[in-house]
Amino acid sequence: GENVEQHPSTLSVQEGDSAVIKCTYSDSASNYFPWYKQELGKGPQLIIDIRSNVGEKKDQRIAVTLNKTAKHFSLHITETQPEDSAVYFCAAGLSNTGNQFYFGTGTSLTVIP
Amino acid sequence: GAVVSQHPSWVICKSGTSVKIECRSLDFQATTMFWYRQFPKQSLMLMATSNEGSKATYEQGVEKDKFLINHASLTLSTLTVTSAHPEDSSFYICSARDGAGGTGELFFGEGSRLTVL
Repeated sequence: GENVEQHPSTLSVQEGDSAVIKCTYSDSASNYFPWYKQELGKGPQLIIDIRSNVGEKKDQRIAVTLNKTAKHFSLHITETQPEDSAVYFCAAGLSNTGNQFYFGTGTSLTVIP
Repeated sequence: GAVVSQHPSWVICKSGTSVKIECRSLDFQATTMFWYRQFPKQSLMLMATSNEGSKATYEQGVEKDKFLINHASLTLSTLTVTSAHPEDSSFYICSARDGAGGTGELFFGEGSRLTVL
């Protein structure tokens, strides 16, 4: 089955700096890679995703890159703000199916004002 | 984006009672929903996959008689924690995929905090 690893487990950055979170996956069949942001006491929220037919996707201050050959994908947050502080989870799975996603262990991001 | 509604958001109950948590997909049909348990500062632990009109598929180590899952319609799945005990206290989260011709994206409910006294 799929195995997703995520690093780092904790990350602290100064406000305005960039933050990068990296994930690797094991199953080459996976073709859909979403990222979720979870604030304290709430359910995870989908913030961006990427499919295997593209290498990069950007949405304002958030971008995700995918390297299919190396089986790794990364989340990039630029110009970080205190409200970006949360736990971020990466996931891998198959698109257009009802199958489960496999999640990383999460990264706790703290943006220091 | 699509919305998944989970209710109640928090519940406190006495040991030995049963608690039901509802998960609804509000603007799409979800043939598959997932139930997770999350301990403090840990990742999401998949408990079971809920399939509309059929029995749920439980992950290894999850007691199916303890955590009853019903997925009676394309928009509603319920998790019942039977004869709850303090060790069942946790944060339970549901999710639903916008499958069956949809985007395939996975959306989460807001979670339910269960405290068993």
